[in-house]
Order: sequence, then C-alpha cells, then structure tokens
Amino acid sequence: DVKVTQSSRYLVKRTGEKVFLECVQDMDHENMFWYRQDPGLGLRLIYFSYDVKMKEKGDIPEGYSVSREKKERFSLILESASTNQTSMYLCASSSHGTGGRYGYTFGSGTRLTVV
Amino acid sequence: KQEVTQIPAALSVPEGENLVLNCSFTDSAIYNLQWFRQDPGKGLTSLLLIQSSQREQTSGRLNASLDKSSGRSTLYIAASQPGDSATYLCAVSSGGSQGNLIFGKGTKLSVKP
Repeated sequence: DVKVTQSSRYLVKRTGEKVFLECVQDMDHENMFWYRQDPGLGLRLIYFSYDVKMKEKGDIPEGYSVSREKKERFSLILESASTNQTSMYLCASSSHGTGGRYGYTFGSGTRLTVV
Repeated sequence: KQEVTQIPAALSVPEGENLVLNCSFTDSAIYNLQWFRQDPGKGLTSLLLIQSSQREQTSGRLNASLDKSSGRSTLYIAASQPGDSATYLCAVSSGGSQGNLIFGKGTKLSVKP
C-alpha cells in the first residue's frame, strides 16, 4: 500500500515563527499536494507539485511556500505563522495529477495550533 | 467552476440499517470520483475510486455508483455497524489542470448500537 507520512500529528507554534511541515511518500508518485481543512470550509488546496523542484499554487497559497528537493518529500513552509493558520494540514500524493489509476492517498494529518 | 455537494450533512441510523450517502457535482467533465472516510482528528482513508468510464465500484459492504451525465454519485453502506461512524467525503478530479481535486463538505454518519 502507498504510504504518505506526515512527520508530526500535533504542533503548537508561536505567532511569527517559521514552521515546516514535512510529508514523505513511498510509492514514487510524481504528484504531491498540501491541503488545509477547516470546519465549515472543507478541504482547500494550498500548493501542489508535479515534479521535483516544480510547484503550483492552489486556491489559498498566501502565507505559505513549499519545497520539493526530492521526489518523495514535499514540505510546506509557513514563513511567519499567524493565528489564522491554525488548522488541520493534510498531505496527499498520486501517480497522476488527475488521480490516475489509484486515486489520491492522504497522510494522517498535522493539527497545527498557532498561539 | 466545479462544485461538489453532499447531502445530508449528518445522518444517524441504528446498527444494521442499509444507508445511502449522496454526492452531486456541477460539471460532468470529470476524470474520476473518489470516496473517503475521515475519523475525528485523523487523515483521509480512501474507500473507493470510480473512473469516469465506470458506473460502480464495490468493496466489501460498500458500493459506490457514478452517473456522470446527471452529476451524481451514491455510496451505499450495507448492514451498517458502529465502526462505520465517521465523516464520509466525496471528491472529484476534473478540469484541465493538475491538482484539481474538489471536495464536498462531507456527511457525518453516526451508527448507534
């Protein structure tokens, strides 16, 4: 089975801190994605990457950046954390941008609280 | 712009009932539709993936159907169990750009013993 691993389940950070959320997948997928999930708003795409060193903005990229130096790892960076970035962050991967044969596989999520 | 709607937002049933969760989407030009399960505070677990050329997929007690022309999908759960209690999310992959997975807001299912 494809496994997508997010390094932290829970994080508490202070306003203004630089925050790194890490995601690793083990199935050689080209495509990786970062979503955030908020009550009443559902899942929203922040950034995605379809190849090493490539990135594309999603629906809500403001305040975030990403890094993909290796195929298996996709990092989400909060340049200067703010309280409105308190959320559940979900990483996903797929073999194809439209899901391909097996669809999208998600990690277990990181609950980030910014105080 | 693709929009995905799930009805009802919440559902409570007694154990053993068969139930149907609904998902509708506004643009029928989709590549596939995927159903996920999410337990409180956890990530998403993929249940079923239906490609645009398929009409249904089955896994155990779960059966998902897709009617692309009418923009609808249903997730049928047979003989529900308390362990099925979770939020069920429907998502469609559509459009010409990569990374365009659009989610509904989910149906929160509670199965009472």
